[in-house]
Formats: sequence, C-alpha cells, structure tokens
Amino acid sequence: GAGVSQSPSNKVTEKGKDVELRCDPISGHTALYWYRQSLGQGLEFLIYFQGNSAPDKSGLPSDRFSAERTGGSVSTLTIQRTQQEDSAVYLCASTRGAASYEQYFGPGTRLTVT
Amino acid sequence: QKEVEQNSGPLSVPEGAIASLNCTYSDRGSQSFFWYRQYSGKSPELIMSIYSNGDKEDGRFTAQLNKASQYVSLLIRDSQPSDSATYLCAVRGAQKLVFGQGTRLTINP
Repeated sequence: GAGVSQSPSNKVTEKGKDVELRCDPISGHTALYWYRQSLGQGLEFLIYFQGNSAPDKSGLPSDRFSAERTGGSVSTLTIQRTQQEDSAVYLCASTRGAASYEQYFGPGTRLTVT
Repeated sequence: QKEVEQNSGPLSVPEGAIASLNCTYSDRGSQSFFWYRQYSGKSPELIMSIYSNGDKEDGRFTAQLNKASQYVSLLIRDSQPSDSATYLCAVRGAQKLVFGQGTRLTINP
C-alpha cells in the first residue's frame, strides 16, 4: 500500500509568517511522530500521537509550534511566527500501533525561512 | 552521556569489504533496537530491527545485540557503493524511539 506522504515537499516562507505542514500516515497506522532534522544533524523528536491524542509533546521547541491530528489519520504541524532557526526538514513517521516501534518515514518537508 | 551514541564517522570501507557500524545506549531497560539508512537528501529507511541478544541476518546485513554491554552493531557484508549513506541507530525509549546522530559510511570502489 501507499507509504507515509507529506506536503508540501518544499516550503519557503518569510520570517514571521505562519506555516502548516501536513502528514498522511500509512493506512491503519495508529501512531504518528513528527521529527525535525537540521542540515547535517540527527533527528530531533517533536511530538507523538496515539490516535488523536498527543501523550508526548516534550520535543516541541517553543509555544510557536503546535500539532493536531484528526480522525486518527492526517496530522498538521503548525509553526507560528516562523524564525530563521526553524529552517529544517520536518519528517513524519507512523507505526502500526504504540506497541510497534518500526517507524516508517515520509519524504519530509523542507522548510526554508528567509 | 547521550542516550544513544554512534561514531559520526566518516567511515570509509573498500568495496567488497565488511562495514561495521556500532552503537551504544544508556537505558539498560531498552528492549527494541533499529537500524535506519538515510541517503543524502532523503528520509530514513528502516533496514533492520532486533529485539533479542545475538545476531539477526537479512541478506548482506547482520544486526548484533548485546544487552549486557548495551551495545548494538550492524555489519554489512560485500559492501557496495550503493551502501554509502548515513546509518542511524535507534533505541526504544518510554514511548518513542531515541536516535543516535548517525554514522556516515562511504564505500570506495
């Protein structure tokens, strides 16, 4: 079946603007994760959803970042008042359930804040 | 101490040789371990998972786990130029995976 999809693939925005990044997990996968990866760096965990609830938001860098998930499927990561340090690739991953930790990643959204 | 540690490399291996990638972790209670491959400009791809002490083989890849030493490794036999990538070790935490910084591997023809 189809893998994890993310949109847009690239986003260029001006400092101070809000952006929304979308993730569509693998069908039937109940857990969804957001990560951020800056150039040449490792993966930085942002937030995790099980169904529509977010048991772990510990990685969100500031209150400018928020995420929601509706219908146990699509998730949206919103960054308000973007800053240049928000520039990174934002990756989404999904797993079959909370008990399964084999995460499958989407292609990512490259965000550039000018 | 970082939760998951890997040598950042670069690790350079001649084509046809065995590439050995290592990872240590700090949480002695961890039960699930994963190796991801990430090509430049691409997202991570799951290549191996291991849950029990010992070796697990899949084609040219072998994952090795030693829980007593808190050590997990990935061996790539008959290395090919297409194996050149960054390899990320991931360890199951309380509710999420904890990733190492990755080891950059280059296979030289």
